[in-house]
Amino acid sequence: AQSVTQLGSHVSVSEGALVLLRCNYSSSVPPYLFWYVQYPNQGLQLLLKYTSAATLVKGINGFEAEFKKSETSFHLTKPSAHMSDAAEYFCAVRGRGSQGNLIFGKGTKLSVKP
Amino acid sequence: ETGVTQSPTHLIKTRGQQVTLRCSSQSGHNTVSWYQQALGQGPQFIFQYYREEENGRGNFPPRFSGLQFPNYSSELNVNALELDDSALYLCASSIPGQGNTGELFFGEGSRLTVL
Repeated sequence: AQSVTQLGSHVSVSEGALVLLRCNYSSSVPPYLFWYVQYPNQGLQLLLKYTSAATLVKGINGFEAEFKKSETSFHLTKPSAHMSDAAEYFCAVRGRGSQGNLIFGKGTKLSVKP
Repeated sequence: ETGVTQSPTHLIKTRGQQVTLRCSSQSGHNTVSWYQQALGQGPQFIFQYYREEENGRGNFPPRFSGLQFPNYSSELNVNALELDDSALYLCASSIPGQGNTGELFFGEGSRLTVL
């Protein structure tokens, strides 16, 4: 069965510092992986997705993620944090069956200090 | 192009009652999924509707049911509410045929509190 684990429920960085949010997956088939962001009192917005076309995936707002099969990881990074990046970030893997079935991690809340 | 809209945004019910949540999918999207997001947790897949039929379900009991209408809008119904049903309920729409790479477009959710 597919699953994702996000290491660290809360990450705090200073403005301008590197952002690194960790995600490890478990899947018995080639995984399709996603990162979503959720701002307070809002729904989820897709940041980027891994579809096996390229291991380094670039997304919106300067974020990118690298798929590493040997490490079963799909960590999200951004070179320089901005105050507007403060939000909750969810890693997800496509589940079996229907297209709408995404299996989400528990999320990592990112705080950005001025 | 309008996005996914959900109503109501907030509601309070008491244990044992029934609730109906509504969702209008993004224009051109005929597949709708529902998720439950408990406080401090990631969203959990409830079910998906395509062509007015349920075609995928997560680990939720039968008292969670849904409908999809010809205009692709959808309802989530929960009977015999329990305290643990308190959560943010998210609706997401998608374009069929994109397979495993397809993106889900989420609404802002309906926050249900069960007292």
